[in-house]
Amino acid sequence: GDSVTQMEGPVTLSEEAFLTINCTYTATGYPSLFWYVQYPGEGLQLLLKATKADDKGSNKGFEATYRKETTSFHLEKGSVQVSDSAVYFCALRGPGGSYIPTFGRGTSLIVHP
Amino acid sequence: DSGVTQTPKHLITATGQRVTLRCSPRSGDLSVYWYQQSLDQGLQFLIQYYNGEERAKGNILERFSAQQFPDLHSELNLSSLELGDSALYFCASSSQSGLSNTEAFFGQGTRLTVV
Repeated sequence: GDSVTQMEGPVTLSEEAFLTINCTYTATGYPSLFWYVQYPGEGLQLLLKATKADDKGSNKGFEATYRKETTSFHLEKGSVQVSDSAVYFCALRGPGGSYIPTFGRGTSLIVHP
Repeated sequence: DSGVTQTPKHLITATGQRVTLRCSPRSGDLSVYWYQQSLDQGLQFLIQYYNGEERAKGNILERFSAQQFPDLHSELNLSSLELGDSALYFCASSSQSGLSNTEAFFGQGTRLTVV
């Protein structure tokens, strides 16, 4: 079945540093890819998505590009803020998983002032 | 606000007991998913309902069951609770079941503590 693998955390950065969180996937067919963010004590919120190869999703300074050739969807941000501290989940949804949203294990990001 | 409402937010109960978690999906969403989030297992899919019918099952224990009512709200029933059932339980909803390009919207979760 479909699966998502993302880098283990925590990722610890100083404010204004560059962020990359790696995500790779295994899927049949043509899934859509998502990044969700979970702030402490809250549910998951959609951060961005891409629905076909070479699409770039972007929101709040975060970006991720759907790379079919490398089956990857890495999350990047050029300059992180303390308020970006949260857990980030990579996810996919596609026919190989009966369209059930499938999540990676999450990567905790801690940003220090 | 995602539009998905889960109650209660917190639940503390003893081993062996039974609890019911409730979820109201976003207005118009027919599909409801239940997930369990624990520190060591990440976000595990439990079960999906679509327009009142069970659509898919994931890693759901036999002690757990769910249903979706005609008004589309859903309940997750957990029985014979064990310490290891302590986790965050999330409900998510989406408008369609068989599409890949629509996102799921999550509630704030119910934190279950079994003592």
